[in-house]
Amino acid sequence: DQQVKQNSPSLSVQEGRISILNCDYTNSMFDYFLWYKKYPAEGPTFLISISSIKDKNEDGRFTVFLNKSAKHLSLHIVPSQPGDSAVYFCAASAYSGTYKYIFGTGTRLKVLA
Amino acid sequence: NAGVTQTPKFRVLKTGQSMTLLCAQDMNHEYMYWYRQDPGMGLRLIHYSVGEGTTAKGEVPDGYNVSRLKKQNFLLGLESAAPSQTSVYFCASIQGPTQYFGPGTRLTVL
Repeated sequence: DQQVKQNSPSLSVQEGRISILNCDYTNSMFDYFLWYKKYPAEGPTFLISISSIKDKNEDGRFTVFLNKSAKHLSLHIVPSQPGDSAVYFCAASAYSGTYKYIFGTGTRLKVLA
Repeated sequence: NAGVTQTPKFRVLKTGQSMTLLCAQDMNHEYMYWYRQDPGMGLRLIHYSVGEGTTAKGEVPDGYNVSRLKKQNFLLGLESAAPSQTSVYFCASIQGPTQYFGPGTRLTVL
């Protein structure tokens, strides 16, 4: 049973437009969520996070929204740039003395110039 | 400050061979994790450590062993490699809830 799902394996967006990446989860005990960006042949790099006590967190062009009732989070990138082309993973954790994250399968974003 | 480094970057093994993957971090983090990533799947936790001398099993620990003899190093061992262990392996260290990943080791088991 996949607890964290990214149902769109790929997404193409024009440069300058908004990119919206979605993530759904099933475990209501998850209390911390992160987004990572991954380029080929590199490790994932941390992008932005949100705790369950918030419903929005912004960092520059990146905003993460959390809808706890729907068990859904989304990452908005505005405006999208060609350098944003990468695979994006969402991850969720229920803190139990340590953070053990469950990762989604990733969404490949392609920003078209 | 190199962050998290992994050696080797690539390795090809024959079935039944053994090897050790090394993860090193220079951020003085207590927690370190080993993941594997397979096509079409997210990262899955193999083993983790909450401090020097401690290790614990993650989601997919079978066929792997780990050791954390020094705070800065976390070793992942394969005693008898199997084709099912062909994967990309990522190490991470953690500060608070945020993980910092190494560049990965691509392992092929023939």
